[in-house]
Amino acid sequence: DIQMTQSPSTLSASVGDRVTITCRASQSISRWLAWYQQKPGKAPKLLIYKASSLESGVPSRFSGSGSGTEFTLTISSLQPDDFATYYCQQYNSYSWTFGQGTKVEIK
Amino acid sequence: QVQLVESGGGVVQPGRSLRLSCAASGFTFSSYGIHWVRQAPGKGLEWVAVISYDGSNKYYADSVKGRFTISRDNSKNTLYLQMNSLRAEDTAVYYCAKEKGRAFDIWGQGTMVTVSS
Repeated sequence: DIQMTQSPSTLSASVGDRVTITCRASQSISRWLAWYQQKPGKAPKLLIYKASSLESGVPSRFSGSGSGTEFTLTISSLQPDDFATYYCQQYNSYSWTFGQGTKVEIK
Repeated sequence: QVQLVESGGGVVQPGRSLRLSCAASGFTFSSYGIHWVRQAPGKGLEWVAVISYDGSNKYYADSVKGRFTISRDNSKNTLYLQMNSLRAEDTAVYYCAKEKGRAFDIWGQGTMVTVSS
């Protein structure tokens, strides 16, 4: 099975900061990589799919890049509503796997 | 509006069974693959199972293979997860989610399953 490793596990940042989260796959997954935001007690929300496609309704400050085994989620200017946990998710051969999550905290 | 609503969660003893349901509305249910994803308390997300739009193909995580069965009734716009031989490690919030481009774009609110004696 493909393993997904996110870094960092926790990130402390201030409003207005540029934030980058990395996700590495244990083998190539082409561009089958998605990013989610989850707030406590809520279901995850899709932000990015196919590595760089912005989901409808998601602010343009969110962007995704990468292919193969290394991917990044960037928030260009962190807003108060962005403090949450972020997960990457891969697809390969009818199996889906999530990263362990990155908690973005207020600095 | 586009919506998925799970039900059927609860407290169950180890080794017993439980069936979850997921009712869909606001989109053409019969056109999409639908997944179950779970999240243990305080932990990350774990994919559980998927069923194709017409029910002809089903895939499972190794952790539930042979114990859980995913099914759907397109005439009722409803997805199911039959969970047998439940274990303590199956304790989690269970979400159903609609597939889009091998990702999950619509999620339900989740239903809690607690396996405990």
